[in-house]
Amino acid sequence: KAGVTQTPRYLIKTRGQQVTLSCSPISGHRSVSWYQQTPGQGLQFLFEYFSETQRNKGNFPGRFSGRQFSNSRSEMNVSTLELGDSALYLCASRPGQGVEPQHFGDGTRLSIL
Amino acid sequence: AQSVTQLDSQVPVFEEAPVELRCNYSSSVSVYLFWYVQYPNQGLQLLLKYLSGSTLVKGINGFEAEFNKSQTSFHLRKPSVHISDTAEYFCAVSKTGANNLFFGTGTRLTVIP
Repeated sequence: KAGVTQTPRYLIKTRGQQVTLSCSPISGHRSVSWYQQTPGQGLQFLFEYFSETQRNKGNFPGRFSGRQFSNSRSEMNVSTLELGDSALYLCASRPGQGVEPQHFGDGTRLSIL
Repeated sequence: AQSVTQLDSQVPVFEEAPVELRCNYSSSVSVYLFWYVQYPNQGLQLLLKYLSGSTLVKGINGFEAEFNKSQTSFHLRKPSVHISDTAEYFCAVSKTGANNLFFGTGTRLTVIP
């Protein structure tokens, strides 16, 4: 079974631009969560989607948004990029019910110039 | 709210020696506990999880952890480490029934030949 796939793996943007990151969950998984990893703040929860609905949200500004499609694939969008948005963005999926833990992708490394 | 403290940011250990990575958590409700490992330029891989039942849980790659409710700890152990265990290790907690993980700041394990 294929794992969680994130594209692209690397991305370079400049301040003020916007960016969209993509995540394809493990087949059959309906829950997709996004995390930001930085050296200063560590791993922080952004939001979780389940069956195309945002089910949970972390403490990030509104510039960070996401969505989920009917095939459970998810996208994360960051608008008006700031230098501090440079990070590794990780996507994780799980079936969505029960106690199955989250399975992570390899992440998208976003660099802001 | 939940929080996780990993007491050691770096742990150097000689090959074939035992290792313990410490994790303490804080929560006013029942939680699930996890250990993840991150190799360079990769995402997070689940090592083991505690959901309920036996307080000693065994994971992949010879790792195990013990849940201690009275001390609110979930320390990770391995009796004999290998060079390939060099990586960053993250302890995480989630409220039972919730999907978002709260992570510790990580412990960098370096195995010395």
